[in-house]
Amino acid sequence: NAGVTQTPKFQVLKTGQSMTLQCAQDMNHEYMSWYRQDPGMGLRLIHYSVGAGITDQGEVPNGYNVSRSTTEDFPLRLLSAAPSQTSVYFCASSPSRGGYQETQYFGPGTRLLVL
Amino acid sequence: AQSVSQHNHHVILSEAASLELGCNYSYGGTVNLFWYVQYPGQHLQLLLKYFSGDPLVKGIKGFEAEFIKSKFSFNLRKPSVQWSDTAEYFCAVNGRGYQKVTFGTGTKLQVIP
Repeated sequence: NAGVTQTPKFQVLKTGQSMTLQCAQDMNHEYMSWYRQDPGMGLRLIHYSVGAGITDQGEVPNGYNVSRSTTEDFPLRLLSAAPSQTSVYFCASSPSRGGYQETQYFGPGTRLLVL
Repeated sequence: AQSVSQHNHHVILSEAASLELGCNYSYGGTVNLFWYVQYPGQHLQLLLKYFSGDPLVKGIKGFEAEFIKSKFSFNLRKPSVQWSDTAEYFCAVNGRGYQKVTFGTGTKLQVIP
């Protein structure tokens, strides 16, 4: 099993550009999520999905879109990049059990720099 | 809503010292609690978790945590730290029936040889 994979590992964007961060998992997990990690702020939830076709907003969803057309993939789209979106982005997946979350498995992260 | 508070932002210890990192949560029901660790240059991985049963849970690498329901706390402990424990530690909470997991702001632990 590859676990949770993320691409790219590092990206530089100019303000106003758009891009998609890819996330895939091969563990057949129902639950997937995107977090951003900023110094002193921990991990903040951007969007999450409890299964194919179902997504919902987290704490900091503005400026980001997600979709979940398959169980395996959960891409994160930056619509118009801003310097405030400079961060490290982590994708995670977990089995969902009875309406609550099990252990999350994290990808290696994507470092994004917006100039 | 749920929230997590980690009191120590940066802890520096000498090798063999004992460690206790504080974690308090807020949620008006049953919770699942987690500690994750992020070693330098690596991604987050689970250290230990509490779902139910014995409130004292043991994790990898000699770490343990105690769930004290009356204090809404889930403090992480290790009797004797090693240089290899240098990492950032995150407490997280998931309220039952609440799909989101909320993380604390993290504690950076630096162990000096």
